Amino acid sequence: QVQLQESGPGLVKSSQTLSLTCTVSGGSISSSFYYWSWIRQPAGKGLEWIGRIYSSGTTNYNPSLKSRVTISADTSKNQFSLKLSSVTAADTAVYYCARDSPLRIVGYYYALDVWGQGTTVTVSS
Amino acid sequence: DIQMTQSPSSLPASIGDRITITCRASQNIGSYLNWYQLRPGTAPKLLIYAASSLQSGVPSRFSGSGSGTDFTLTISSLQPEDFATYYCQHSYSTPLTFGGGTKVEIK
Repeated sequence: QVQLQESGPGLVKSSQTLSLTCTVSGGSISSSFYYWSWIRQPAGKGLEWIGRIYSSGTTNYNPSLKSRVTISADTSKNQFSLKLSSVTAADTAVYYCARDSPLRIVGYYYALDVWGQGTTVTVSS
Repeated sequence: DIQMTQSPSSLPASIGDRITITCRASQNIGSYLNWYQLRPGTAPKLLIYAASSLQSGVPSRFSGSGSGTDFTLTISSLQPEDFATYYCQHSYSTPLTFGGGTKVEIK
């Protein structure tokens, strides 16, 4: 059973870089057809997709954050990471990592089927 | 970007009620629509994928329907553990986007 766990500082200073890691157990991030995503939820607000990395290393980012986001993977540690630069208070949120799986291969129907518990990051001035 | 609009944003309900949540996409997304449940302190849970397919392990009281731009999530008989917030999400293209959420509350 695949499990994901986010880790990283809970407090980041404004203008600095937020760095989080997602450790995957029970499965390999190198497995074909899977994407590995980051999603966030500010307090009292909805979910926002940040971006994802494919098993090959290809990345997709939300255009609203693209200039500040980098998602990378370390296959030797079975981890993938998020870096968000020049953070402000608006980046305060619960950050989730998730696996994006092809639950129906014909038609490439993907869904976020495994999620981490989430980690709260607060940006302070 | 494809915009996802959910309604209602809040839904007071009682145990045993049948409830329906609606999600509308800003363009035709076929059946590329998923539903999730979020409860405080727990990892988000996938309920329905491809608009109407029940994720493994999810109780059969949950069902999804729709295609194109209009979709619904139905809970046939609300249970205590179903009081939560529900989100739709399209997987048609990137960026993936979510609806604003529907909070199912105790009436």
